[in-house]
Amino acid sequence: DVVMTQSPLSLPVTLGQPASISCRSSQSLVYSDGNTYLNWFQQRPGQSPRRLIYKVSNRDSGVPDRFSGSGSGTDFTLTISRVEAEDVGVYYCMQGTHWPRVFGGGTKVEIK
Amino acid sequence: EVQLLESGGDLVQPGGSVRLSCAASGFTFSSYAMSWVRQAPGKGLEWVSAITTTGSNTYYAASVKGRFTISRDNSKNTLYLQMNSLRAEDTAVYYCAKTAQHEYWGQGTLVTVSS
Repeated sequence: DVVMTQSPLSLPVTLGQPASISCRSSQSLVYSDGNTYLNWFQQRPGQSPRRLIYKVSNRDSGVPDRFSGSGSGTDFTLTISRVEAEDVGVYYCMQGTHWPRVFGGGTKVEIK
Repeated sequence: EVQLLESGGDLVQPGGSVRLSCAASGFTFSSYAMSWVRQAPGKGLEWVSAITTTGSNTYYAASVKGRFTISRDNSKNTLYLQMNSLRAEDTAVYYCAKTAQHEYWGQGTLVTVSS
């Protein structure tokens, strides 16, 4: 199975400052159709997860443009350009290329 | 508006069974693959299972293979997860999600396995 490794585990950030989360996969996530199925999810406290980013860098509808995704192959990053209070929660990457699907362990974003 | 409403969660004894349902609305259910994802208390997300549009292909995590069965009824816009031979480590909130890329999620239903 693919292993998804996220870092850091915890990310204290100052409001208005940028934040970055890394996600690495144990094998390439490029699918035979040429797409790379790497997704990012946000889970706010007490809520269900919500997808933010699909296929590495595409924002889902309604997702603020301060969220961006980048990367290729096995190395990916979620960046929040200016953290706001509502961004507190746990962020997960997930590979959607291979079966079984696998989530990263999660990164907890909190305000300093 | 896409809505996914899970139900069926319960307190079950080890070795017991339960069937979860996910009622879908706001989209053409029969046109999309569907998935189940779980989250143990205080833990991260764990992918459980997925099913293609017609049900012809199903996929399972190693931790549930042979014990859980995913199915769907496109006439009822409903996704199911039959869970047998339950263990304490199956205790979790179970979410259904639209597509194999988890585009939308339901609110979850809690399954507790305990004697």
